[in-house]
Amino acid sequence: AQSVTQLDSQVPVFEEAPVELRCNYSSSVSVYLFWYVQYPNQGLQLLLKYLSGSTLVKSINGFEAEFNKSQTSFHLRKPSVHISDTAEYFCAVGKFYFGSGTKLNVKP
Amino acid sequence: DTGVSQNPRHKITKRGQNVTFRCDPISEHNRLYWYRQTLGQGPEFLTYFQNEAQLEKSRLLSDRFSAERPKGSFSTLEIQRTEQGDSAMYLCASSSEGTGGRELFFGEGSRLTVL
Repeated sequence: AQSVTQLDSQVPVFEEAPVELRCNYSSSVSVYLFWYVQYPNQGLQLLLKYLSGSTLVKSINGFEAEFNKSQTSFHLRKPSVHISDTAEYFCAVGKFYFGSGTKLNVKP
Repeated sequence: DTGVSQNPRHKITKRGQNVTFRCDPISEHNRLYWYRQTLGQGPEFLTYFQNEAQLEKSRLLSDRFSAERPKGSFSTLEIQRTEQGDSAMYLCASSSEGTGGRELFFGEGSRLTVL
């Protein structure tokens, strides 16, 4: 069985600072990787995904994640965060395995 | 595309009662998934359907949990003889396999409180 680890349950950061949310998974077999975001009082929605091809994938709002097969990681990064990025972020492998989430709190 | 709809959004019940949640997926999606989410945790997979066929149900939490998707459209998740430990958010998601998207589209969830 697969497991997904998000070691940081909360990440406080000041506006315009860079941020990295870490995600590691247990199996190195071929996987589909996702980051979902949950804004306050809303359902989860897709932020970005890796299915195949380029290991660096990007979202429309400036986030990016890099698939690292050797380290079984899929860390999420943004070079400069906004207040509106305050949300909970979930890493997922396929459709059955989710991490426990990281709450990103962007402070002014 | 009206998104995934879940009802009711909130349910408060007494221990021992039965509850049923409904999920209406995005209309063209053939797969439907149920998850449970407790405080501080990510979604925990319970079961899923492809059209009306339930392809995986071994992850349902106990035999008190059951799900149906009788006509391959909406689905229901029933919890019988509820216990306080069943208090959680129950999430539904749908996806369209075969078109390459592979991502899940989630509803806003149904929050269950068992007193």
